[in-house]
Amino acid sequence: GQQLNQSPQSMFIQEGEDVSMNCTSSSIFNTWLWYKQDPGEGPVLLIALYKAGELTSNGRLTAQFGITRKDSFLNISASIPSDVGIYFCAGRLTGANSKLTFGKGITLSVRP
Amino acid sequence: DGGITQSPKYLFRKEGQNVTLSCEQNLNHDAMYWYRQDPGQGLRLIYYSQIVNDFQKGDIAEGYSVSREKKESFPLTVTSAQKNPTAFYLCASFASLGYTFGSGTRLTVV
Repeated sequence: GQQLNQSPQSMFIQEGEDVSMNCTSSSIFNTWLWYKQDPGEGPVLLIALYKAGELTSNGRLTAQFGITRKDSFLNISASIPSDVGIYFCAGRLTGANSKLTFGKGITLSVRP
Repeated sequence: DGGITQSPKYLFRKEGQNVTLSCEQNLNHDAMYWYRQDPGQGLRLIYYSQIVNDFQKGDIAEGYSVSREKKESFPLTVTSAQKNPTAFYLCASFASLGYTFGSGTRLTVV
């Protein structure tokens, strides 16, 4: 099936630093979603983007829907220890039977 | 509170046995999904159902079966035909704002 590209697989940052994660695809999507997964739990939706060029914030998180509809980024500002986890991007095409396509995720570690 | 409940949280199975993972939602969502998660692999779609009494294979359906007799319930059976069943299994349902996930079931074959 389709895949979204997220790299690197792991990121290590210092507490207080900003971090940016990118997600790219060879296909266009009509919706981009960013999820965070804590160990042993299901992913939780952080931000949803519905329009090309859209920039949306949720607290210290900011995400953008790329103009080409083939990419999105997530920025976390002033990181804190509880930001540790796996961050997934997901894309969706509107329409019947459309499914979410997920990236492989980026594991974020925050050093105190 | 509305949500998705997966049970059990941890499940151990002997090789050659079938096992059924439960997924129940009270969100009144039509669409439900099962994903498998392995380290470094992301989420891979096993089966999904858009409506009661209908379901479709995902990318890795071999060795799995599902049913959708009620809107609220979408159980997944891991059969003995699944060669490498040890994994973390996630159930999700979908509405207009995106997927809601359950907290997962970790299946270990011993």
